[in-house]
Amino acid sequence: EVQLVESGGGLVQPGGSLRLSCAASGFTFSTYSMNWVRQAPGKGLEWVSYISSSSSTIYYADSVQGRFTISRDNVKNSLFLQMNSLRDEDTAVYYCARLGGYLIDYWGQGTLVTVSS
Amino acid sequence: DIQMSQSPSTLSASVGDRVTITCRASQSISSWLAWYQQKPGKAPKLLIYKASSLESGVPSRFSGSGSGTKFTLTISSLQPDDFATYYCQQYNSYRYTFGQGTKLEIK
Repeated sequence: EVQLVESGGGLVQPGGSLRLSCAASGFTFSTYSMNWVRQAPGKGLEWVSYISSSSSTIYYADSVQGRFTISRDNVKNSLFLQMNSLRDEDTAVYYCARLGGYLIDYWGQGTLVTVSS
Repeated sequence: DIQMSQSPSTLSASVGDRVTITCRASQSISSWLAWYQQKPGKAPKLLIYKASSLESGVPSRFSGSGSGTKFTLTISSLQPDDFATYYCQQYNSYRYTFGQGTKLEIK
């Protein structure tokens, strides 16, 4: 069974940093590209970042470019999102999502990040 | 970036009704479109991929159609479990974009 379990969310002040993790199991993590997708409270879904299986290709949404860094550890079956210079508008549930080909086919349960003073 | 727009934003319907949600892309995405269902406090669940392919385990009352820039999700006979929010999403490029969502409410 595919499982994606996010952790690392919490309350942080504006300008602060946070590192999210996603532990993957039930599939060969090293062969799949992964995404981070977020959802602000009461709002829709917003794609945040993409990383290929080998980490050779990475993309970011314009809203987080230069502040967020995606990475992965294929030995530890883990995906990460380093978030710096956090803003109020980064408050959201952050989902780790697996790509089956180009399609998001599995989602984690999400971790809440709250940016507030 | 490719913009996705859904209509309506809210839809009120009754159990047994047939409902259709429309999704439009700002440029052609061929058939690279997915539909997701999301319930409060839960992660999205994949329903339809490649515009019209039903994900394994999804009831056959769900169907998708369209290509290019216009797509539809149809639920043939609403069941109580179907009241949720539905999102379309294009995966024509890695800069994925979602529709704003359609909340399906009980009339």
